[in-house]
Amino acid sequence: AQSVTQLDSQVPVFEEAPVELRCNYSSSVSVYLFWYVQYPNQGLQLLLKYLSGSTLVKGINGFEAEFNKSQTSFHLRKPSVHISDTAEYFCAVRNSGGGADGLTFGKGTHLIIQP
Amino acid sequence: NAGVMQNPRHLVRRRGQEARLRCSPMKGHSHVYWYRQLPEEGLKFMVYLQKENIIDESGMPKERFSAEFPKEGPSILRIQQVVRGDSAAYFCASSQTGTGGSGNTIYFGEGSWLTVV
Repeated sequence: AQSVTQLDSQVPVFEEAPVELRCNYSSSVSVYLFWYVQYPNQGLQLLLKYLSGSTLVKGINGFEAEFNKSQTSFHLRKPSVHISDTAEYFCAVRNSGGGADGLTFGKGTHLIIQP
Repeated sequence: NAGVMQNPRHLVRRRGQEARLRCSPMKGHSHVYWYRQLPEEGLKFMVYLQKENIIDESGMPKERFSAEFPKEGPSILRIQQVVRGDSAAYFCASSQTGTGGSGNTIYFGEGSWLTVV
């Protein structure tokens, strides 16, 4: 069984400030890791993913995330946020070792950019 | 290159009616997933299908809900005798492969918002 914890339900940040959205996971098997963004009344858009290799992955819109296996974390960062980054952000994991299952999501973090 | 297509985007049903939500996966994708997003909650996995097969339905409610992905045509999520608690956003997603390799990235549709009145 897998679980994903996003510690912050809301993160208010001033425009042009840096931001970090935290994600921790629990799994008995190795996993792939994903961050999705959801703008109001829209579907989920893939921001970035970690499958293997370098633990620092870069995604769209200037976001990046670092996989830390020892801490079972996959925190999302952006050095300077913009008003248009206001959205809900979801961290997700998926079993990498085979079998038939989909994504397990965290409850989401609402990023609020303040002017 | 069309993404995952869902329709209808918005659906209103009275209690006791049936709701049918349709999903066409991305071109070349043969794996379909349905998720439900309740207000103020994250997405919950419902069911995973391949063509003509249900692979994992561990997240589906035991009654009133069913899903199919026929050989031809879109995947259908069917909710019979809807109740107010079924009001939610239902997201379909697809992937090229089930697991392993870069083909396992799951892409989401825009969602279908069901309101039960």
